[in-house]
Amino acid sequence: DAKTTQPPSMDCAEGRAANLPCNHSTISGNEYVYWYRQIHSQGPQYIIHGLKNNETNEMASLIITEDRKSSTLILPHATLRDTAVYYCIVRVRGAGGTSYGKLTFGQGTILTVHP
Amino acid sequence: NAGVTQTPKFRILKIGQSMTLQCAQDMNHNYMYWYRQDPGMGLKLIYYSVGAGITDKGEVPNGYNVSRSTTEDFPLRLELAAPSQTSVYFCASSYPGRQEGGESYGYTFGSGTRLTVV
Repeated sequence: DAKTTQPPSMDCAEGRAANLPCNHSTISGNEYVYWYRQIHSQGPQYIIHGLKNNETNEMASLIITEDRKSSTLILPHATLRDTAVYYCIVRVRGAGGTSYGKLTFGQGTILTVHP
Repeated sequence: NAGVTQTPKFRILKIGQSMTLQCAQDMNHNYMYWYRQDPGMGLKLIYYSVGAGITDKGEVPNGYNVSRSTTEDFPLRLELAAPSQTSVYFCASSYPGRQEGGESYGYTFGSGTRLTVV
Protein backbone atom coordinates (compact mmCIF):
# COMPACT_ATOMS: atom_id res chain seq x y z
CA ASP A 1 0.00 0.00 0.00
CA ALA A 2 1.18 3.53 -0.79
CA LYS A 3 2.59 5.66 2.00
CA THR A 4 0.83 8.85 3.04
CA THR A 5 2.10 12.10 4.55
CA GLN A 6 -0.04 14.30 6.76
CA PRO A 7 0.71 17.37 8.88
CA PRO A 8 1.01 16.38 12.54
CA SER A 9 -1.51 18.93 13.79
CA MET A 10 -4.01 21.57 12.67
CA ASP A 11 -6.36 24.02 14.34
CA CYS A 12 -9.78 25.14 13.22
CA ALA A 13 -12.38 27.55 14.60
CA GLU A 14 -15.78 26.12 15.41
CA GLY A 15 -18.22 26.63 12.54
CA ARG A 16 -15.50 27.05 9.95
CA ALA A 17 -14.43 24.52 7.36
CA ALA A 18 -11.58 22.23 8.31
CA ASN A 19 -9.38 21.24 5.38
CA LEU A 20 -7.05 18.34 6.11
CA PRO A 21 -4.41 17.61 3.46
CA CYS A 22 -2.82 14.28 2.62
CA ASN A 23 0.03 13.53 0.26
CA HIS A 24 0.16 10.11 -1.43
CA SER A 25 2.50 10.67 -4.33
CA THR A 26 3.24 6.95 -4.86
CA ILE A 27 -0.40 5.88 -5.13
CA SER A 28 -1.17 3.17 -7.67
CA GLY A 29 -4.04 3.16 -10.11
CA ASN A 30 -6.05 0.58 -8.16
CA GLU A 31 -5.56 2.14 -4.75
CA TYR A 32 -8.26 4.07 -2.98
CA VAL A 33 -7.93 6.91 -0.51
CA TYR A 34 -9.67 6.28 2.81
CA TRP A 35 -10.16 8.62 5.74
CA TYR A 36 -10.78 7.53 9.30
CA ARG A 37 -10.81 9.47 12.53
CA GLN A 38 -10.19 8.52 16.13
CA ILE A 39 -11.80 10.50 18.89
CA HIS A 40 -9.98 10.37 22.21
CA SER A 41 -8.80 6.73 22.28
CA GLN A 42 -12.05 5.34 20.91
CA GLY A 43 -11.91 2.90 18.02
CA PRO A 44 -11.29 4.58 14.65
CA GLN A 45 -14.38 5.63 12.73
CA TYR A 46 -14.75 5.43 8.96
CA ILE A 47 -15.41 8.80 7.31
CA ILE A 48 -15.17 8.54 3.54
CA HIS A 49 -13.24 6.99 0.69
CA GLY A 50 -12.66 7.66 -3.00
CA LEU A 51 -10.72 6.57 -6.07
CA LYS A 52 -10.41 9.58 -8.38
CA ASN A 53 -13.68 11.49 -8.26
CA ASN A 54 -14.57 13.88 -5.51
CA GLU A 55 -16.87 12.32 -2.94
CA THR A 56 -19.32 13.72 -0.42
CA ASN A 57 -21.35 12.15 2.33
CA GLU A 58 -23.13 13.33 5.45
CA MET A 59 -19.87 13.64 7.34
CA ALA A 60 -17.38 15.16 4.93
CA SER A 61 -16.16 15.81 1.41
CA LEU A 62 -13.09 14.30 -0.20
CA ILE A 63 -11.25 16.18 -2.91
CA ILE A 64 -8.69 14.16 -4.88
CA THR A 65 -6.33 15.95 -7.27
CA GLU A 66 -6.40 15.02 -10.92
CA ASP A 67 -3.02 13.27 -10.72
CA ARG A 68 -4.25 11.52 -7.51
CA LYS A 69 -1.04 12.35 -5.69
CA SER A 70 -2.80 14.27 -2.95
CA SER A 71 -6.21 14.73 -1.42
CA THR A 72 -8.04 16.94 1.05
CA LEU A 73 -10.68 15.97 3.56
CA ILE A 74 -13.14 18.78 4.18
CA LEU A 75 -15.34 19.05 7.26
CA PRO A 76 -17.63 21.87 6.10
CA HIS A 77 -18.73 23.19 9.50
CA ALA A 78 -16.40 21.89 12.17
CA THR A 79 -17.75 21.42 15.67
CA LEU A 80 -15.96 20.78 18.95
CA ARG A 81 -16.90 17.11 18.61
CA ASP A 82 -14.79 16.91 15.45
CA THR A 83 -11.62 17.27 17.54
CA ALA A 84 -9.83 14.00 16.78
CA VAL A 85 -6.90 12.36 15.05
CA TYR A 86 -7.58 12.03 11.32
CA TYR A 87 -5.92 9.25 9.34
CA CYS A 88 -5.46 9.24 5.60
CA ILE A 89 -4.94 5.70 4.32
CA VAL A 90 -4.27 4.45 0.83
CA ARG A 91 -4.91 0.84 -0.04
CA VAL A 92 -6.31 -1.57 -2.56
CA ARG A 93 -10.02 -1.88 -1.95
CA GLY A 94 -11.54 -5.12 -0.73
CA ALA A 95 -9.56 -8.31 -1.03
CA GLY A 96 -7.38 -7.12 -3.87
CA GLY A 97 -4.01 -8.80 -4.09
CA THR A 98 -2.66 -9.83 -0.71
CA SER A 99 -3.93 -6.84 1.19
CA TYR A 100 -7.01 -8.67 2.51
CA GLY A 101 -8.54 -5.31 3.28
CA LYS A 102 -5.81 -4.41 5.75
CA LEU A 103 -5.45 -0.79 6.81
CA THR A 104 -2.01 0.70 7.39
CA PHE A 105 -2.22 3.60 9.82
CA GLY A 106 0.30 6.42 9.97
CA GLN A 107 0.38 8.94 12.78
CA GLY A 108 -2.40 11.08 11.33
CA THR A 109 -3.28 14.72 11.89
CA ILE A 110 -4.47 15.93 15.26
CA LEU A 111 -7.30 18.34 14.50
CA THR A 112 -8.25 20.68 17.31
CA VAL A 113 -11.47 22.61 16.91
CA HIS A 114 -11.65 25.58 19.26
CA PRO A 115 -14.56 27.83 20.21
CA ASN B 1 -26.88 -4.35 16.39
CA ALA B 2 -23.99 -4.47 18.85
CA GLY B 3 -21.31 -4.23 16.15
CA VAL B 4 -17.88 -5.23 17.47
CA THR B 5 -17.69 -6.03 21.17
CA GLN B 6 -14.41 -6.24 23.03
CA THR B 7 -13.85 -7.51 26.56
CA PRO B 8 -12.41 -6.61 28.97
CA LYS B 9 -12.15 -2.84 28.63
CA PHE B 10 -9.24 -2.58 31.05
CA ARG B 11 -6.74 -5.09 32.43
CA ILE B 12 -3.53 -5.03 34.42
CA LEU B 13 -1.25 -8.04 34.02
CA LYS B 14 1.95 -8.99 35.76
CA ILE B 15 4.97 -9.90 33.66
CA GLY B 16 4.74 -13.52 32.54
CA GLN B 17 0.99 -13.86 33.02
CA SER B 18 -1.34 -14.92 30.23
CA MET B 19 -4.69 -13.63 29.11
CA THR B 20 -7.13 -13.69 26.24
CA LEU B 21 -8.69 -10.57 24.79
CA GLN B 22 -12.14 -11.34 23.48
CA CYS B 23 -13.67 -9.94 20.31
CA ALA B 24 -17.09 -10.71 18.89
CA GLN B 25 -19.03 -9.24 15.98
CA ASP B 26 -22.65 -9.79 15.02
CA MET B 27 -22.55 -8.38 11.47
CA ASN B 28 -21.57 -11.63 9.74
CA HIS B 29 -18.34 -10.02 8.57
CA ASN B 30 -15.80 -12.33 6.96
CA TYR B 31 -12.69 -10.36 7.86
CA MET B 32 -11.53 -9.61 11.37
CA TYR B 33 -8.42 -7.87 12.63
CA TRP B 34 -6.46 -7.14 15.76
CA TYR B 35 -4.55 -3.87 16.05
CA ARG B 36 -2.52 -2.37 18.83
CA GLN B 37 -1.98 1.31 19.45
CA ASP B 38 0.88 2.61 21.55
CA PRO B 39 0.65 6.12 23.06
CA GLY B 40 0.79 8.85 20.42
CA MET B 41 1.15 6.37 17.59
CA GLY B 42 -1.03 5.00 14.82
CA LEU B 43 -2.51 1.51 14.86
CA LYS B 44 -0.38 -1.49 13.96
CA LEU B 45 -1.83 -4.76 12.67
CA ILE B 46 -1.12 -7.81 14.85
CA TYR B 47 -3.14 -10.60 13.20
CA TYR B 48 -6.03 -10.86 10.82
CA SER B 49 -8.48 -13.49 9.62
CA VAL B 50 -10.33 -13.77 6.33
CA GLY B 51 -12.77 -16.36 7.63
CA ALA B 52 -13.33 -19.15 10.13
CA GLY B 53 -10.29 -21.38 10.37
CA ILE B 54 -8.01 -18.95 8.50
CA THR B 55 -5.61 -16.57 10.23
CA ASP B 56 -2.42 -14.80 9.25
CA LYS B 57 0.23 -12.56 10.74
CA GLY B 58 0.21 -8.83 10.45
CA GLU B 59 2.96 -6.32 11.10
CA VAL B 60 3.66 -7.07 14.79
CA PRO B 61 2.60 -10.67 15.61
CA ASN B 62 5.37 -11.66 18.03
CA GLY B 63 4.08 -12.52 21.50
CA TYR B 64 0.51 -13.08 20.35
CA ASN B 65 -1.65 -15.90 19.04
CA VAL B 66 -5.12 -15.97 17.53
CA SER B 67 -7.77 -18.46 16.53
CA ARG B 68 -10.95 -18.16 14.50
CA SER B 69 -13.25 -21.10 15.10
CA THR B 70 -16.42 -19.19 14.21
CA THR B 71 -17.30 -16.23 12.01
CA GLU B 72 -18.33 -14.22 15.06
CA ASP B 73 -15.35 -14.59 17.40
CA PHE B 74 -11.68 -13.71 17.05
CA PRO B 75 -9.84 -13.95 20.40
CA LEU B 76 -6.28 -12.68 20.86
CA ARG B 77 -4.02 -14.61 23.23
CA LEU B 78 -1.03 -13.24 25.13
CA GLU B 79 0.99 -16.15 26.52
CA LEU B 80 3.82 -14.48 28.47
CA ALA B 81 2.98 -10.85 29.02
CA ALA B 82 5.82 -8.35 28.72
CA PRO B 83 5.93 -4.60 29.47
CA SER B 84 6.33 -3.96 25.73
CA GLN B 85 2.79 -5.27 25.28
CA THR B 86 1.33 -2.42 27.29
CA SER B 87 -0.98 -0.85 24.74
CA VAL B 88 -4.56 -0.32 23.66
CA TYR B 89 -5.86 -3.20 21.59
CA PHE B 90 -8.54 -2.74 18.96
CA CYS B 91 -10.48 -5.43 17.20
CA ALA B 92 -12.17 -4.66 13.89
CA SER B 93 -14.20 -6.38 11.23
CA SER B 94 -15.09 -5.75 7.60
CA TYR B 95 -16.97 -7.38 4.75
CA PRO B 96 -15.13 -6.74 1.50
CA GLY B 97 -17.70 -8.62 -0.56
CA ARG B 98 -20.36 -5.95 -0.32
CA GLN B 99 -21.05 -3.55 -3.14
CA GLU B 100 -19.03 -0.41 -3.56
CA GLY B 101 -20.13 2.80 -2.02
CA GLY B 102 -21.13 4.11 1.37
CA GLU B 103 -19.56 2.29 4.26
CA SER B 104 -19.52 -1.06 2.52
CA TYR B 105 -15.79 -1.26 2.71
CA GLY B 106 -15.35 0.57 5.95
CA TYR B 107 -14.10 -1.14 9.02
CA THR B 108 -16.11 -1.36 12.21
CA PHE B 109 -13.90 -1.07 15.24
CA GLY B 110 -14.52 -2.12 18.81
CA SER B 111 -14.06 0.30 21.69
CA GLY B 112 -10.69 -1.15 22.66
CA THR B 113 -9.01 -2.97 25.55
CA ARG B 114 -6.49 -0.98 27.55
CA LEU B 115 -3.80 -3.39 28.78
CA THR B 116 -1.02 -2.56 31.21
CA VAL B 117 1.76 -5.05 31.95
CA VAL B 118 3.69 -4.37 35.15
